[in-house]
Amino acid sequence: GIQVEQSPPDLILQEGANSTLRCNFSDSVNNLQWFHQNPWGQLINLFYIPSGTKQNGRLSATTVATERYSLLYISSSQTTDSGVYFCAVDSGYALNFGKGTSLLVTP
Amino acid sequence: EAGVAQSPRYKIIEKRQSVAFWCNPISGHATLYWYQQILGQGPKLLIQFQNNGVVDDSQLPKDRFSAERLKGVDSTLKIQPAKLEDSAVYLCASSLWLAGGETQYFGPGTRLLVL
Repeated sequence: GIQVEQSPPDLILQEGANSTLRCNFSDSVNNLQWFHQNPWGQLINLFYIPSGTKQNGRLSATTVATERYSLLYISSSQTTDSGVYFCAVDSGYALNFGKGTSLLVTP
Repeated sequence: EAGVAQSPRYKIIEKRQSVAFWCNPISGHATLYWYQQILGQGPKLLIQFQNNGVVDDSQLPKDRFSAERLKGVDSTLKIQPAKLEDSAVYLCASSLWLAGGETQYFGPGTRLLVL
């Protein structure tokens, strides 16, 4: 199946800093989504972005499908941004999740 | 709008026992997913339903896991008999496809510990 690699695996930021999370995938995709899992385990969909660029507040994402990677940008980070960020892709029906980037934002 | 509901939230059982999880998706969502999330890993799809039909169950261990979606709404996932390696969080999600793509909405999960 399609392979998903996320980097970095762990990230610690001070509040107000910016960050970029990367997702590499091994094959062409029909579907790519970014999720945030908060420290209590709740998964929230951030973006559906198989190609192009989207923005939602302090978050934005860019997928370059021809080069098989996606980037998630977090600007002016807040402590509530802490948690694990997952990239998930599929080329058919099933989403394959990466191992995630664990983000801790400190005051 | 109400979110995806799951119960129970926590379950502790001994190996070889049976357990069942319940999920109620968001009203109107035709697609329902069950995922297994082992500590430190991303969710892994177990089964996907479209209405009450199975779309993908290729990663469901069918010798011990079963799932059904009653009348295309609620769903149950059963494990019988449980093994130690089944300890995980079981997540249910439902989705809506719009012009802008798919959005999956996840429930709070059921945390299963097999002793």
